[in-house]
Amino acid sequence: DTGVSQNPRHKITKRGQNVTFRCDPISEHNRLYWYRQTLGQGPEFLTYFQNEAQLEKSRLLSDRFSAERPKGSFSTLEIQRTEQGDSAMYLCASSLAGRRGYGYTFGSGTRLTVV
Amino acid sequence: SQQGEEDPQALSIQEGENATMNCSYKTSINNLQWYRQNSGRGLVHLILIRSNEREKHSGRLRVTLDTSKKSSSLLITASRAADTASYFCATDADGGATNKLIFGTGTLLAVQP
Repeated sequence: DTGVSQNPRHKITKRGQNVTFRCDPISEHNRLYWYRQTLGQGPEFLTYFQNEAQLEKSRLLSDRFSAERPKGSFSTLEIQRTEQGDSAMYLCASSLAGRRGYGYTFGSGTRLTVV
Repeated sequence: SQQGEEDPQALSIQEGENATMNCSYKTSINNLQWYRQNSGRGLVHLILIRSNEREKHSGRLRVTLDTSKKSSSLLITASRAADTASYFCATDADGGATNKLIFGTGTLLAVQP
């Protein structure tokens, strides 16, 4: 297991287009998190899954954003009708429930640029 | 919204010197964690301190926690050029079922060779 994998690493899209990002967590991790990070800021929580259930969504996650985690394995984050304000680094992290003392493992992120 | 604020926002030191970063947060916590982020990359977990601990060490890292002041500090001793990165504190809120982490604004550390 090589850690948390995110694809693509970079995405440039035109305003109004839809984009989808993928995250493959560490296989035994049942918790998966999506964060968004803009330049010079810390990561901001977007949403969280335990297995396949989406248990919490931030108010930052407008109705243009949707996330799924079918079968509790990989996860996808889709942004519809992208806007320039969506330009950011999208980070995925995973952890194992019951191991609260071990922190998250982050992927390298997907950098989205909306032009 | 971000839970924590870090101070200073940016820090420049010479190799071999110590670097100290501070973090303040707002609510009760279960634990506080520090992460490092190299430019354009994901975050790497450095160290975790629980709410009932006051100090923790890991290699060249020393973390303190003062829950009465809702603050923490990260000390990196004998810094190296490779320590150049952004450092973030993150809090795991007490009683939260998700152990969702809320991150601070970060300190950008530059270690000059």
